[in-house]
Amino acid sequence: QLQLQESGPGLERPSETLSLTCTVSGASISSKNFYWGWIRQPPGKGLEWIGSIYYSGTTYYNPSLQSRVTISVDTSKNQFSLRLTSVTVADTAVYYCVRRMAVTGTKLYYFDYWGQGTLVTVSS
Amino acid sequence: AIQMTQSPSSLSASVGDRVTITCRASQGIRNDLGWYQQKPGKAPKVLIYAASSLLSGVPSRFSGSGSGTDFTLTISSLQPEDSATYYCQQDSNYPHTFGGGTKVEIK
Repeated sequence: QLQLQESGPGLERPSETLSLTCTVSGASISSKNFYWGWIRQPPGKGLEWIGSIYYSGTTYYNPSLQSRVTISVDTSKNQFSLRLTSVTVADTAVYYCVRRMAVTGTKLYYFDYWGQGTLVTVSS
Repeated sequence: AIQMTQSPSSLSASVGDRVTITCRASQGIRNDLGWYQQKPGKAPKVLIYAASSLLSGVPSRFSGSGSGTDFTLTISSLQPEDSATYYCQQDSNYPHTFGGGTKVEIK
């Protein structure tokens, strides 16, 4: 059974860099037809897609965050990571790592597996 | 970015009621739309992909329809365990975007 597990600090100071890692178990991160990514949810609010990465290293970012975000993959550890620089209180959220899966034989995708989420609070 | 507008933002219905949630995209997205259910304190869970395809294991009382800009999620007979927030999400263009959510409560 595929599992995704986020890890990283739960508290960041304003202007610091948020770093989270997602460890994938039960499947290879190098599998084709899958993208790996991050979605966040501020407390009591909706979902915001942050970005995705393919095992080859190709990345896609939300333009609203693009200047501050980096997603990377470590196939040897079956992990991928999120780095968000210059955080502010507005970056306080539950951060989910996700797998985006292609429907066989199509170019249709959906987020089929989610981590449990990790709350990151930005506060001085 | 494509804007996804859901309505209503919340609703209250009785067990057995038919519930419909709508989602409108700011531009055509073909059928590149998913519906997700989120219960408090939990990660969202996909119910429907490609606008109308039900994920294996999802109760058949859930159904989706639509194409282009207008989509609906229908719960044919509301059950107590369906109390949750539902989100639509477009996968047609980057950035992927979600609707604002519809909170479904049981009367």
